[in-house]
Amino acid sequence: DGGITQSPKYLFRKEGQNVTLSCEQNLNHDAMYWYRQDPGQGLRLIYYSQIVNDFQKGDIAEGYSVSREKKESFPLTVTSAQKNPTAFYLCASEDRLGNQPQHFGDGTRLSIL
Amino acid sequence: DQQVKQNSPSLSVQEGRISILNCDYTNSMFDYFLWYKKYPAEGPTFLISISSIKDKNEDGRFTVFLNKSAKHLSLHIVPSQPGDSAVYFCAASVDNYGQNFVFGPGTRLSVLP
Repeated sequence: DGGITQSPKYLFRKEGQNVTLSCEQNLNHDAMYWYRQDPGQGLRLIYYSQIVNDFQKGDIAEGYSVSREKKESFPLTVTSAQKNPTAFYLCASEDRLGNQPQHFGDGTRLSIL
Repeated sequence: DQQVKQNSPSLSVQEGRISILNCDYTNSMFDYFLWYKKYPAEGPTFLISISSIKDKNEDGRFTVFLNKSAKHLSLHIVPSQPGDSAVYFCAASVDNYGQNFVFGPGTRLSVLP
């Protein structure tokens, strides 16, 4: 079955460390997205990519970086510059034509030790 | 300032009754609206959408109503079932492309047996 896989489900980070969250999709979608969810807030867009080797900042890109070397993969790195990284991170993908709604992964919960 | 608001953080409904989830938005340019449903430890799944050329869209037990003049939409679930217990997110966009979606904070629905 096609879908989006995020790993790991839970991730712990020491202060000052970079950490990379994985997102893989086998839906043949061109567009991929990273969102962050905090309690009481909607999903906020961190980065998105509409095509391989291209990505754009979303609303809250500071302290994050991404790469899109393959269509299937869109890893998110939470850098030490992100001052408040504890959150739930969701990856999504979408048919570039926009005819289908976004598909989401099951998320990664990142916590600071 | 939130562009998409879901003013009820939670809602409890008896099984078999109607659930009504509300969503208000401030940007009159929003033209496309979606509802997502999210279970704990899972990513959101698409439920139903509506574009501004319609005022109602129905899919089985789920109906979305759009009142553009009031900048208000609602999701009706009839009859409500215990499996409907989840967090429901409203999302709005000026088009149908994922990078432009703005999500509301969500409403937690509990359907009581």
